[in-house]
Amino acid sequence: QVQLVQSGSELKQPGASVTVSCKTSGYTFTNYAMNWVRQAPGQGLEWMGWINTNTGNPSYAQGFKGRFVFSLDTSVSTAYLQISSLTGEDTAVYYCARDWLRAVFDSWGQGTLVTVSS
Amino acid sequence: QSALAQPASVSGSPGQSITISCTGTSSDVGGYNHVSWYQQHPAKAPKLMIYDVTNRPSGVSNRFSGSKSGNTASLTISGLQAEDEADYYCTSYTGSATVFGGGTKLTVL
Repeated sequence: QVQLVQSGSELKQPGASVTVSCKTSGYTFTNYAMNWVRQAPGQGLEWMGWINTNTGNPSYAQGFKGRFVFSLDTSVSTAYLQISSLTGEDTAVYYCARDWLRAVFDSWGQGTLVTVSS
Repeated sequence: QSALAQPASVSGSPGQSITISCTGTSSDVGGYNHVSWYQQHPAKAPKLMIYDVTNRPSGVSNRFSGSKSGNTASLTISGLQAEDEADYYCTSYTGSATVFGGGTKLTVL
């Protein structure tokens, strides 16, 4: 069955960087785009953007350009989210989600909590 | 891109039906039949409940249904059950991006 397994929780200091991984199994990785979604504590879901798993070309939503980088390692069917220059406002749960059809997210990772605190 | 508008909360008693609205513009909800609905229980990942306005993925109860009129999409849950208590989010394709609604907390009384 389709599975997306994300890396564990992270505690980072302000100014540091973090990388979240999303390892997939149960399907052909390059057949479906991967999206990233953020959920700040007590808040709603926010679409961050997506990456074409065939070409590696990323597309970022407004508000997620500059410090956020989507990447892939197709040899291990894994997508990555890197966030640099972390601030307290980056404290959130980050989800990867498979794009099954256009903007239809049928499978999700379990979420990775990133906490930014000194 | 502004978030789609959803009511902050709705409630209903077991067995009743409720409807959650999701209002956008002609650039998103009104312009595409790519509206989805997700259910999220506390501390859990979202789950796809409805896609492309009216379609249910395999395994989702037929108590869940979707519709759209103009720039407003709706999710209806009939025969409310205790396990339906959760947050619900709509999304829409915009031509170049995806936008989420602000979310609606469903309370089963």
